[in-house]
Amino acid sequence: AQSVSQHNHHVILSEAASLELGCNYSYGGTVNLFWYVQYPGQHLQLLLKYFSGDPLVKGIKGFEAEFIKSKFSFNLRKPSVQWSDTAEYFCAVNDQTGANNLFFGTGTRLTVIP
Amino acid sequence: EAGVVQSPRYKIIEKKQPVAFWCNPISGHNTLYWYRQNLGQGPELLIRYENEEAVDDSQLPKDRFSAERLKGVDSTLKIQPAELGDSAVYLCASRQKPGLAGGPQFFGPGTRLTVL
Repeated sequence: AQSVSQHNHHVILSEAASLELGCNYSYGGTVNLFWYVQYPGQHLQLLLKYFSGDPLVKGIKGFEAEFIKSKFSFNLRKPSVQWSDTAEYFCAVNDQTGANNLFFGTGTRLTVIP
Repeated sequence: EAGVVQSPRYKIIEKKQPVAFWCNPISGHNTLYWYRQNLGQGPELLIRYENEEAVDDSQLPKDRFSAERLKGVDSTLKIQPAELGDSAVYLCASRQKPGLAGGPQFFGPGTRLTVL
């Protein structure tokens, strides 16, 4: 079975600080990778996704993520966070065979201090 | 375009009572998912539908949980009887179709269930 690890449970940053949230997955085959964001009181929204091609993926609101196959990682980055980035961030993976079901990490809560 | 709609948004019940959640996916989305999200955790898949067929219900606790999607559009998830450990947020998601070309999953706002 696949699993996703997000080691940072709660990250607190000041505005303009740089952000990197870790995500590691365990699956030996070809995967699709996702970052979802959940703003306070809102539903899960897709931030960015990786299917194939360029391992550096750019998403909405200035976020990007880099797929490093040798490290089984898909870390999320943003060079300068804003107060409005305060949210919970979930990494997810699905395989490219059969069900294509999503497996989520436990999430990282980001708090940005103005 | 309307997103995934879920109701109710909140539900508080006593243990051993039944409860039902409703989901209307994005129009044209054939694949529908129900997830459970416990506090401090990521969503975990309960069941996946392709049109009206439940193609993956391996994680659904079938002794007390049931789901249906009779006409291949909206879906209902039921718990009977509810237990204290069922307190969680129940999320519905949909996507156009299965496979790589099916696009990402879109999530509804969820139903927060509290069992007392």
